[in-house]
Amino acid sequence: NAGVMQNPRHLVRRRGQEARLRCSPMKGHSHVYWYRQLPEEGLKFMVYLQKENIIDESGMPKERFSAEFPKEGPSILRIQQVVRGDSAAYFCASSLGGAETQYFGPGTRLLVL
Amino acid sequence: DAKTTQPPSMDCAEGRAANLPCNHSTISGNEYVYWYRQIHSQGPQYIIHGLKNNETNEMASLIITEDRKSSTLILPHATLRDTAVYYCIVRVRNKLVFGAGTILRVKS
Repeated sequence: NAGVMQNPRHLVRRRGQEARLRCSPMKGHSHVYWYRQLPEEGLKFMVYLQKENIIDESGMPKERFSAEFPKEGPSILRIQQVVRGDSAAYFCASSLGGAETQYFGPGTRLLVL
Repeated sequence: DAKTTQPPSMDCAEGRAANLPCNHSTISGNEYVYWYRQIHSQGPQYIIHGLKNNETNEMASLIITEDRKSSTLILPHATLRDTAVYYCIVRVRNKLVFGAGTILRVKS
């Protein structure tokens, strides 16, 4: 029973490029959450999605960041025109339902040069 | 905007019980207390959660006070591999609000 999968595990981008982070939830889970962890800080909620819907994006930066969870395929967190301050670990979690336990993936570590 | 307070660090001898306290005095009646841990910089690992009653699973026990204003996570026989940052979280609707957590160091 595979857990939450994220890829790539490490991503290096130059300033101004785009970063695409992928998250495949646990089997049977249709709720996905993205969190960001800046160096030496705790995790911060970014966005909560169900299939084809954004439910809560209160933690998403207003510009350059977007997320989707299509009917088929993984959830995508997209960061356009990356800046050095975007360097962080991005974790995805999934749950069976909106009020159920969230299980986390291994994270994607983004480094912006 | 974390709703919990935890000591920044604790030490525990290998093989002994680790008792990690957490204060959540502003918790609402229908909010759950969750515990996760993060080893090195891996993804947070779910440990246990509870609402009112004490809970136990294969990893740990969770003791919640009757007024629900505090709780204690108990690792019955700590091992070196339990060294991690432990987060006590009050779930707010659909999001987990992480605080700074407690760094638990298990020493031989």
